Amino acid sequence: DSGVTQTPKHLITATGQRVTLRCSPRSGDLSVYWYQQSLDQGLQFLIHYYNGEERAKGNILERFSAQQFPDLHSELNLSSLELGDSALYFCASSVEPQGFGGNTEAFFGQGTRLTVV
Amino acid sequence: LAKTTQPISMDSYEGQEVNITCSHNNIATNDYITWYQQFPSQGPRFIIQGYKTKVTNEVASLFIPADRKSSTLSLPRVSLSDTAVYYCLVGEPLNKFYFGSGTKLNVKP
Repeated sequence: DSGVTQTPKHLITATGQRVTLRCSPRSGDLSVYWYQQSLDQGLQFLIHYYNGEERAKGNILERFSAQQFPDLHSELNLSSLELGDSALYFCASSVEPQGFGGNTEAFFGQGTRLTVV
Repeated sequence: LAKTTQPISMDSYEGQEVNITCSHNNIATNDYITWYQQFPSQGPRFIIQGYKTKVTNEVASLFIPADRKSSTLSLPRVSLSDTAVYYCLVGEPLNKFYFGSGTKLNVKP
C-alpha cells in the first residue's frame, strides 16, 4: 500500500459527460502529480500541484482541469469526454517538489480506470 | 530534458540475473537516476535511485559509471513475479517525472 488513495477505482461513463477523479496523497506529502496511461502506452504526465498551487503542466487537454485543495487532496476533472479518454489515470505524491536538489521518491496510487462508451 | 533510451523488451528465465541498461547522454550535473517498476493495471513502484557508482537495496542494484551517461539496473535471481515494465527516469526538469516507454521484462519458467 503506497498510502495514496484514488477514488473511484472504476468509472464508466458516456461520451460528452464530465467526471471527477479524486486523489488523497500520503500524509505529509505536498506534491501531487496526475498521469494518464492509455492501453499499452507509457505514462503521460498531465499536471503537478504543490501545496495548492499549480507547478507544471504536461500533455493535459483543455477539456481537463485539476486542483489541489487546502487539505492537499486533489481532483482531476475531465469534461466533454471522448472515447479516446478511456485510460488509467494515476495520481502520485511526494513530500517535496522535484528539482530542489536531488530527487525524492514518488508514491503512486492504484489508479482510476475510466471507460468512456 | 534528459532523454532516456532503454530496450523495449527483454526475456529471461527464473533464477537468472537480469541487467537492464538505460542511456541518458545529456544527464545534468544535479540529476539523479531513478528506476520504477510497474505491473499491469497498477501504479508504478519505486525500485532504486542513485547518483553515481553503485547503489544496492533489498531488491536491486544500480550501477552508474563515472561519466553517468548510462545506468544499469540489476535484478538478481528473477522470479515470475518480476515480470513487469521497468522505467528509467533521469532528473525532473520543471518538477515533472517523465516516464518513457520502459522495458517490458518477461520472466519465463
